[in-house]
Amino acid sequence: VQLVQSGAEVKKPGASVNVSCKASGYTFTASYIHWVRQAPGQGLEWMGWINPKSGGTNYAQKFQGRVTMTRDTSISTAYMELSRLRSDDTAVYYCARTGDLDYWGQGTLVTVSS
Amino acid sequence: DVVMTQSPLSLPVTLGQPASISCRSSQSLVHSDGNTYLNWFQQRPGQSPRRLIYKVSNRDSGVPDRFSGSGSGTDFTLKISRVEAEDVGVYYCMQNTHWPRTFGQGTKVEIK
Repeated sequence: VQLVQSGAEVKKPGASVNVSCKASGYTFTASYIHWVRQAPGQGLEWMGWINPKSGGTNYAQKFQGRVTMTRDTSISTAYMELSRLRSDDTAVYYCARTGDLDYWGQGTLVTVSS
Repeated sequence: DVVMTQSPLSLPVTLGQPASISCRSSQSLVHSDGNTYLNWFQQRPGQSPRRLIYKVSNRDSGVPDRFSGSGSGTDFTLKISRVEAEDVGVYYCMQNTHWPRTFGQGTKVEIK
């Protein structure tokens, strides 16, 4: 099992960012993909999940209205878009597999700075 | 939301000595299906988190048997029987019995 994420991003406040997570080594549609973020020097914060089979999503209340999770089953890739970025969205964003988060991507650093 | 409280937040240990991390939840983590969804993760410096233990006491494949998890209800413990240099990092507990899943603040393990 491998989850490979897209590279680091630098964005201005108010912009949007789209992070991808390409899965391999298992059946993509068989396991939910979760997104977790970690601000610099801080702990882990769950953002939500997507069901790759149905496209159904579930977002943490804090991110509702700003986050959109999608997937492309043809290339076994999940996406997380966060809009209206603020400086406190600066963090490493991780994708992880299944409800128990058994495998994690390498993380994508998103820096929000003017 | 369920609050997960870890202690201590910093744990200096001597190589070869045991270490213990406590994780307490603000509500019982027993799910209606009878399972207790409490996991432990290790995050080494500069790395992604790695799951060590799931459902309280089940060790993941490849995790050394010096790591063990125990507990029930609202009170859980991760133990390292003999700390090795590669165990340095931050350890997190996480519950996914209740929505939304929540993490503890993390416990930093370092060598004395």
